[in-house]
Parts: sequence; structure tokens; C-alpha cells
Amino acid sequence: GIQVEQSPPDLILQEGANSTLRCNFSDSVNNLQWFHQNPWGQLINLFYIPSGTKQNGRLSATTVATERYSLLYISSSQTTDSGVYFCAVEYGNKLVFGAGTILRVKS
Amino acid sequence: DAGVIQSPRHEVTEMGQEVTLRCKPISGHDYLFWYRQTMMRGLELLIYFNNNVPIDDSGMPEDRFSAKMPNASFSTLKIQPSEPRDSAVYFCASSLSRGTTGELFFGEGSRLTVL
Repeated sequence: GIQVEQSPPDLILQEGANSTLRCNFSDSVNNLQWFHQNPWGQLINLFYIPSGTKQNGRLSATTVATERYSLLYISSSQTTDSGVYFCAVEYGNKLVFGAGTILRVKS
Repeated sequence: DAGVIQSPRHEVTEMGQEVTLRCKPISGHDYLFWYRQTMMRGLELLIYFNNNVPIDDSGMPEDRFSAKMPNASFSTLKIQPSEPRDSAVYFCASSLSRGTTGELFFGEGSRLTVL
């Protein structure tokens, strides 16, 4: 099956800092999504991004499908950005999740 | 739309009891997914439906687990009998097909504790 690897596994930021999260996948995929799981456990869809770049406020994402990776950029981080960030790739009509990046933003 | 609605939010039960988790997908979505999240295994797909029909249940851990989708607005995940190792957060998600699984939206999850 496909391998989905996220890095770094965890990250601590000072409020206001920028960060880049990475998702590598081992095979061609139909699409890729980024999710944020907040400290209360809720999973929020951030981006549906099979290729190219999208931006939503302080967050943006880029997927380079031919090179099998995606990046999630967080600029001017806030404490509310804390939580776990998952990438998920569609493989064989299923979404396969990475292990996530745990982000803690300190005030 | 209200989003994906799951119930109960929390369930504590004793080993051997039957557990039923419920899900109402977003109206108009034709895919419904059940996931389980644990610290050890992360997010695992248990089963998914397309137009109320189970398409792939290969993630269902064993025969104690069953899922149904009697209509487009309701699905259940049942565990009978429950065991302590079933303790986890169970998420339901739905999407609108675009020829792929589409953009996925999750419910708030049902946290199950089996004593």
C-alpha cells in the first residue's frame, strides 16, 4: 500500500512565527487534503489540493504531485493554530492518512 | 447546512455490551465514511458507503463490528459485544463525489470507552 509520511512529527512555535509542514507520499494519488485536528478533537478540512497552490488567510498549501509531496505553510502563527495537522491522500478510492504533525504555539 | 452530525458524543459502557453509533451526513453527499482514531494506530478507515451501498468494509476489525446505511441521511456503526480494545474516537465523514472521494467533512466524533 501507499506510505504517507509527515514531518516534522512535532513542532513548537512562538506566537507570530511561520512554519512549513511537509507530507511525502510513495505513489501517485488522485487527490490530497490537509486537515487540522484542534485540541478538542474536531477535524477541520483545510485544503483540498490535488495539485498547485491554494491560500486561505494565513494558511496556504502547495502540492507537487509529480514529485509526490505537499507543503502546508502557516504564517504569523496563533495559539489557536495548535493541534495536529494531517495530510490525507486518495489511493484506490480511499483516503489514507499520515501520522500527523503536532503543533504547539506558545504565547 | 449543519455539517455531519454524530451521536452520542461520549459513550461509556461495560465489556460485552452492545454499542450503536449514529451519523447523519451532509445533505446531498453521496459518500459516507466511518473512521476510528486511536493513539497507537492513528486514523483508520473502517468502512465506506456510496449511495447507501457498502463499497469497502476491509477495515472493519472483526465480525463484532457492523455498519448500515438504510437511507441517504442516516448510518449506524454497531459493536456487539464490545471489548476494552474498542475504546477509541469514532468519526463519521461525508463527501460529494467528483469522480473521486471528494472533499471530506468530518463529524465531531463519538468517544467510546469500554470498561
